[in-house]
Amino acid sequence: AQTVTQSQPEMSVQEAETVTLSCTYDTSENNYYLFWYKQPPSRQMILVIRQEAYKQQNATENRFSVNFQKAAKSFSLKISDSQLGDTAMYFCAFMKRGGSQGNLIFGKGTKLSVKP
Amino acid sequence: KAGVTQTPRYLIKTRGQQVTLSCSPISGHRSVSWYQQTPGQGLQFLFEYFSETQRNKGNFPGRFSGRQFSNSRSEMNVSTLELGDSALYLCASSLEQGTYNSPLHFGNGTRLTVT
Repeated sequence: AQTVTQSQPEMSVQEAETVTLSCTYDTSENNYYLFWYKQPPSRQMILVIRQEAYKQQNATENRFSVNFQKAAKSFSLKISDSQLGDTAMYFCAFMKRGGSQGNLIFGKGTKLSVKP
Repeated sequence: KAGVTQTPRYLIKTRGQQVTLSCSPISGHRSVSWYQQTPGQGLQFLFEYFSETQRNKGNFPGRFSGRQFSNSRSEMNVSTLELGDSALYLCASSLEQGTYNSPLHFGNGTRLTVT
């Protein structure tokens, strides 16, 4: 069975600074996908970024980028130039290839606070 | 285009009662998934429907059930409510059944409190 671990329950960062959220996972699968979701106080989960395990190049979406280390089973999220609107819960998620996005395995989340 | 709509937003029920939650997916989306979110267990997958058929089911007791209608709207039902069923229930829709390139779009959830 796959597991996803986020070791930082809470983090804070000053506005405009950079912060990195950690995620490790355990799987025996070789082909899979990884995701970061954001859940602001509105409760709606929003996809931030996604990575295909067979692609060595790290995914980037504007201020968000990942550091994917397949051998170490690590998938960290870096937020550059943090903004107040980045304040939210961040969840790392795993999906095996051939699986379904409707059946994601989520970590317990990291609560990020961006301070002015 | 309207997003995923979940109703009601808040619900208070008593132990032993049953409850039905509703989810209207984004127009054109054919897949609907349900998740339970609690502080202790985090986000846990309940089930996934595609074209009115349950395609995947999580590890929940039979008291949790769901269905999908021909217009892709979905309902989930919890019977004989227990205190531990208190949670945020999230619905998500996608264009196709869970491919990598068919991302999930989540609703705002229904907050269920069981007293």
